[in-house]
Amino acid sequence: GESVGLHLPTLSVQEGDNSIINCAYSNSASDYFIWYKQESGKGPQFIIDIRSNMDKRQGQRVTVLLNKTVKHLSLQIAATQPGDSAVYFCAEKRLTGGGNKLTFGTGTQLKVEL
Amino acid sequence: EPEVTQTPSHQVTQMGQEVILRCVPISNHLYFYWYRQILGQKVEFLVSFYNNEISEKSEIFDDQFSVERPDGSNFTLKIRSTKLEDSAMYFCASRRDSGGLPYEQYFGPGTRLTVT
Repeated sequence: GESVGLHLPTLSVQEGDNSIINCAYSNSASDYFIWYKQESGKGPQFIIDIRSNMDKRQGQRVTVLLNKTVKHLSLQIAATQPGDSAVYFCAEKRLTGGGNKLTFGTGTQLKVEL
Repeated sequence: EPEVTQTPSHQVTQMGQEVILRCVPISNHLYFYWYRQILGQKVEFLVSFYNNEISEKSEIFDDQFSVERPDGSNFTLKIRSTKLEDSAMYFCASRRDSGGLPYEQYFGPGTRLTVT
């Protein structure tokens, strides 16, 4: 069935290093992807999105890469800071005919070590 | 900055009891959602609501669940007879309109429901 999953449950990085969080999806009909950040005690917060007609999109300190051939999505965080510590989820949606829901992956816990 | 709010933050109830989880979406938003997250698992879609009716629901959203927008500000999720497996964090989300990207749903902080 459809699934969006993450490779690693926990990622530990040193402050200042770059972080890479990975996500695999299985629904080839997915054409829109979002990364969410969930801090402790809060709801998921939108970080960045990408459509399937792109393979890279950059935001402030974050970059999302999409490889449709292998159905893989990654979130790169440059110069990781303690405030980046959170759980990161990828989510997918079909923009046409996919209804209203977001389908989330399991989540990766990012821990930033000082 | 406007936020989605949810009350209570934590609800403990006995199996078989009814619970109502409350949400106040962002005021100019038109689409409303409930998701749940069982501890350690992924966030799962329950239901979406638009124009005073359910627009989509998942297989989780069975006859024990209902949603309501009783007034212009609140959006509620009712579970009629709670089961142990309903224990989870429940997130409300809202979205402004149907056009354009990003397709951004704004999430509330969640209500932790514990069924004993």
